Formats: sequence, structure tokens, C-alpha cells
Amino acid sequence: DAGVTQSPTHLIKTRGQQVTLRCSPKSGHDTVSWYQQALGQGPQFIFQYYEEEERQRGNFPDRFSGHQFPNYSSELNVNALLLGDSALYLCASSLVTGRETQYFGPGTRLLVL
Amino acid sequence: KQEVTQIPAALSVPEGENLVLNCSFTDSAIYNLQWFRQDPGKGLTSLLLIQSSQREQTSGRLNASLDKSSGRSTLYIAASQPGDSATYLCASPLYSGGGADGLTFGKGTHLIIQP
Repeated sequence: DAGVTQSPTHLIKTRGQQVTLRCSPKSGHDTVSWYQQALGQGPQFIFQYYEEEERQRGNFPDRFSGHQFPNYSSELNVNALLLGDSALYLCASSLVTGRETQYFGPGTRLLVL
Repeated sequence: KQEVTQIPAALSVPEGENLVLNCSFTDSAIYNLQWFRQDPGKGLTSLLLIQSSQREQTSGRLNASLDKSSGRSTLYIAASQPGDSATYLCASPLYSGGGADGLTFGKGTHLIIQP
């Protein structure tokens, strides 16, 4: 079992551009959550997808959007990038029942110049 | 909405010491509390998950406790080793509705174990 995988590992963009990050969940998991982690901070919850719908959302603007595919994989899209969007973006998968922990991927490091 | 705070922000101790990391939360109707480890530039590794009906969980040299009435959790690390050096994060579901809620994290405790 490959666990949670994310791509790409690193990404450099310029202000105003758009970016798409990808996540494949751990085998058997049906729920994908996305987090943003700025340097020296704890991860902040962006949103969560279950059954191809956004199930929960944290305090992030509409520039942040997502998608979940029938195979449970997910994408995070960020439009009109700002310098402050530079961060480590973490994907986590779990079962919707919540009786087990969330499993995290290695993250995508995004740098906005 | 749950909020989580961790103290201390950083800790440096000699190898072999027992140590305690602290986590406090605002909503006592907590569904569960989790402790994670993060190595520099890496993802998070789950250490322990305590359900609201439990008071503690143990895994090897790690023991985590949960006191809902005081809004506190502690992570106890016995006989610390240099390989324990990492940032330790506690987290709880953002909302108390249960299920696989998004998590709210503390800022973490950066732990250095001196050889």
C-alpha cells in the first residue's frame, strides 16, 4: 500500500497564476482533506471532500476550490495566486466515520514569487 | 468551533530524559484528540488517537492522556532519544459533530533531544 501520495513535490509560480495540486488517498479511504501549512505554523484546514462533494470548509476564500473523482483522488485548485499562498499543502485521507486517524501525504511545497 | 493551543513552543533536553508536551483545547465536547509528529519539510505521522470516551492511549515509549473537563491533553515521552527530535502537533476535529471532520491544529512543539 503506497499510502497517501501527492504531486508535484515542489512548485514555483508567480503572482496571479493558477495552480492545481493532486492527491491519491490511501487504499480503502473515501474522504480527502486539504490543509495549508505556513512556515512555523500548524496546518490549517482548507476543505474536505466525500462522495465527490465538498463536505466541510475552513476559513479560506473562494480562490481555493477542489474536486474529488470517482476513484476518490482529489485536486486542489488555487486561482489568482498571492505571495501569502506560499506554503506546504498537505492532503490527508480517512474514512468518513472518523473512527481512525487521518493519514497524511508528504505534501506539495508551493512558492509564489 | 474548536481551538487548540500548545506549550511550550520549543523544548531542548538531554537524551534519556522523560518529558511532557502540553495541549489545550476550548471545546470540552471533543470528539477525539490526536497527536502527530512532523519531521522538517515532511508530512505528518500519526502517533496516538484518543477517542472522547478514553482517558489515555499508549504506544511504546509514548503515552497520551485526555482530560475533557480541564480541556487538556498531554503527550509523555519516556527515555527520550535523538531520533525523537521533531515537531509534535496535537489536533482535534474543528467541529464537534463527529465523523471525519477537518482538524484544527496547535502550532506545535519543536523538540530537540541532545545526544
